[in-house]
Amino acid sequence: ILNVEQSPQSLHVQEGDSTNFTCSFPSSNFYALHWYRWETAKSPEALFVMTLNGDEKKKGRISATLNTKEGYSYLYIKGSQPEDSATYLCAFRPLGGGFKTIFGAGTRLFVKA
Amino acid sequence: GAVVSQHPSRVICKSGTSVKIECRSLDFQATTMFWYRQFPKKSLMLMATSNEGSKATYEQGVEKDKFLINHASLTLSTLTVTSAHPEDSSFYICSAREGYSNTGELFFGEGSRLTVL
Repeated sequence: ILNVEQSPQSLHVQEGDSTNFTCSFPSSNFYALHWYRWETAKSPEALFVMTLNGDEKKKGRISATLNTKEGYSYLYIKGSQPEDSATYLCAFRPLGGGFKTIFGAGTRLFVKA
Repeated sequence: GAVVSQHPSRVICKSGTSVKIECRSLDFQATTMFWYRQFPKKSLMLMATSNEGSKATYEQGVEKDKFLINHASLTLSTLTVTSAHPEDSSFYICSAREGYSNTGELFFGEGSRLTVL
């Protein structure tokens, strides 16, 4: 059974704080890792897709790193804003799994103004 | 970006009735669509993968006769929960892969919350 773990489950920060969360995935049979952002009452939206060990991706104040050898990815948010409040999902695609994607339970971020 | 619309967003039904949930890709062709179920505080659990024009592939433990999936066109997939019971109450969400994309990026519907009385 392929397991994707995310921590913490939830996080409360003040506006302006920088924060990060972790996604752990099987280090064998790695093909790709995705990060999605899911605001309440909306659809999850893709943030990043990462495929190579050592990959670093950035979009505005949000960035992500990938370590496929040890099976983890970090998502960083610099200077959190209330509009960053959402659930952040990571999703693992195994080699040979086609487009099948295994999701973590998410990290729910609350940013207080 | 690509938009996926899912309806209804909420549905309440009586035990024993069937409920159909629709998932439409509005501005792209979705050759593959995925259906997930989410229990509270748990991850999205893949139920089945549907490819246009062919039978859905169900994950282990998902009852095919209970959860009927149809993907008759490149823009529409439906999930029918047949003879629903209270234990089928859950959040169901679909996603779609754009036809020629190899990135694996998924476009999601808004989800449907089913309550079976």
